[in-house]
Amino acid sequence: KQEVTQIPAALSVPEGENLVLNCSFTDSAIYNLQWFRQDPGKGLTSLLLIQSSQREQTSGRLNASLDKSSGRSTLYIAASQPGDSATYLCAVCNTGKLIFGQGTTLQVKP
Amino acid sequence: DTGVSQDPRHKITKRGQNVTFRCDPISEHNRLYWYRQTLGQGPEFLTYFQNEAQLEKSRLLSDRFSAERPKGSFSTLEIQRTEQGDSAMYLCASSSQNEQFFGPGTRLTVL
Repeated sequence: KQEVTQIPAALSVPEGENLVLNCSFTDSAIYNLQWFRQDPGKGLTSLLLIQSSQREQTSGRLNASLDKSSGRSTLYIAASQPGDSATYLCAVCNTGKLIFGQGTTLQVKP
Repeated sequence: DTGVSQDPRHKITKRGQNVTFRCDPISEHNRLYWYRQTLGQGPEFLTYFQNEAQLEKSRLLSDRFSAERPKGSFSTLEIQRTEQGDSAMYLCASSSQNEQFFGPGTRLTVL
């Protein structure tokens, strides 16, 4: 059974800091991996999608990497801003459906 | 707005009542998914459709839950005889190939 774990559960950093969020999964037979952002009480916003054949994807200040063999992905956020404060969720795609981690709640202090 | 839409955004009901939620996917997307999210947890898969065919259902989807997608367009999720444990955010997503796009969710509170 696929399990997804995100570490840390919560993170507080000063504005401007670069940071890394971690995601691990137990079954390397994934189709792709998605990172999402969720603001309190809202739906999910897709940030990055990495296909199983890819090693990384970049969008603006965000960079996501994927190491299927070790069952790990990281989301790198450069020069963090208070507007980045949210919960970040990673999800692996397995037979069509997404299996999510519990998320990392990020607070960026001005 | 061409994103995924859900209605209603909030629903408060009494235990034992039936509720129905609607999801309108992005128009060209043939796959539609339902997830449930409780406070502090990541979303959990409930079911998904490819066009009008329901391809997979989670064990979380008890007999009280039913989902439909007539004509492969919008979808409805009905919960019969609601229980307090059904209180959660119900999220809908759609995709054409790989990337899933989520709607704003329907927050259900069962009193």
